[in-house]
Amino acid sequence: DQQVKQNSPSLSVQEGRISILNCDYTNSMFDYFLWYKKYPAEGPTFLISISSIKDKNEDGRFTVFLNKSAKHLSLHIVPSQPGDSAVYFCAAARYGGSQGNLIFGKGTKLSVKP
Amino acid sequence: DTAVSQTPKYLVTQMGNDKSIKCEQNLGHDTMYWYKQDSKKFLKIMFSYNNKELIINETVPNRFSPKSPDKAHLNLHINSLELGDSAVYFCASSQEPVLKQFFGPGTRLTVL
Repeated sequence: DQQVKQNSPSLSVQEGRISILNCDYTNSMFDYFLWYKKYPAEGPTFLISISSIKDKNEDGRFTVFLNKSAKHLSLHIVPSQPGDSAVYFCAAARYGGSQGNLIFGKGTKLSVKP
Repeated sequence: DTAVSQTPKYLVTQMGNDKSIKCEQNLGHDTMYWYKQDSKKFLKIMFSYNNKELIINETVPNRFSPKSPDKAHLNLHINSLELGDSAVYFCASSQEPVLKQFFGPGTRLTVL
């Protein structure tokens, strides 16, 4: 029973264009969402987060959008760079819930072509 | 400086053996975690540990036990290893529960 779903296992984008990674969740109790980036043979690294009181959070080239009614969030990367090629994980949690219990999606592998 | 470190990076062992994976964080964080990434690439939480309070994911077999000698360390002990324990294990830490977690590089465990 996947509570966090990333339905696209892979995405290929041209350098300089926008990358849009999508994530859906089923548990309406989730109120905190994060995106992580993972290179091969390394641990996930935190990218950006958003709480349910917001619908948008921006950090440089990365923007996360949250649509609570649709239980959907997306990560936009503009402009995409070859160094962005990695697996991106979406994660969700109940702030104040079971300590630090992040629920992860299966990840989307992004390839940015020069 | 490595924020969250794990040793060993690779661990190959026989079924039935007992093994440990060490984790250390130098970030001064109060909460530490262990995650398992299985062959299907799902990252699932196994334990979180905060101020001596241990929260266990109920699906984790009791052959797995975390041990924290101090706030900067959370080691993972696994008894009677099984084939299905083969996975990549990640340690993580955060200042507060849920907020952004910093992950270690992972330990790839292979049980033969």
